[in-house]
Amino acid sequence: DAKTTQPPSMDCAEGRAANLPCNHSTISGNEYVYWYRQIHSQGPQYIIHGLKNNETNEMASLIITEDRKSSTLILPHATLRDTAVYYCIVRVYTDKLIFGTGTRLQVFP
Amino acid sequence: DVKVTQSSRYLVKRTGEKVFLECVQDMDHENMFWYRQDPGLGLRLIYFSYDVKMKEKGDIPEGYSVSREKKERFSLILESASTNQTSMYLCASSLGRAEAFFGQGTRLTVV
Repeated sequence: DAKTTQPPSMDCAEGRAANLPCNHSTISGNEYVYWYRQIHSQGPQYIIHGLKNNETNEMASLIITEDRKSSTLILPHATLRDTAVYYCIVRVYTDKLIFGTGTRLQVFP
Repeated sequence: DVKVTQSSRYLVKRTGEKVFLECVQDMDHENMFWYRQDPGLGLRLIYFSYDVKMKEKGDIPEGYSVSREKKERFSLILESASTNQTSMYLCASSLGRAEAFFGQGTRLTVV
């Protein structure tokens, strides 16, 4: 069973921030939170991951709550090319990488 | 550039055939994965390998086997292909807790 819960779909206006939530209430202390996205007909693409601190890279920011039971992926200025399915995954680094059904983000002009 | 290469982009096979899907990575990663993706079902893990000759079943291993004789190569085997194995197959590799890299996928059609 997937260990995360995500909304099935979200919309975002181009140029605005897209905030994608993820619940992982059963996360254990040594599990990381990973985000991937999949643009239609391509293999999934890694975005970012974190353990307990907030993380930022050139693609996105990851905000993890203090109790680690939920997180938010932030795309600061969404573009049409960010339209994709976004997957939130929790795993120990030596463990299987299990995808849920993700959130379908539609960015509109 | 890191690379995960799947041997075929499109494949058509007949029911009952033995099918080999090959995946090669050039990053010296210890972890490799095989997934299948079907509309409405997302990516489902078939098998996972964390080292040469080591493997673990994923969520849907029935009808599949795998082989990892060398670190860079992970093969998915359909012993007797069936029409319900028509799908997109994706291979990935990762090193420790770093990100996984995916191949472009093989779209297999079993007729």
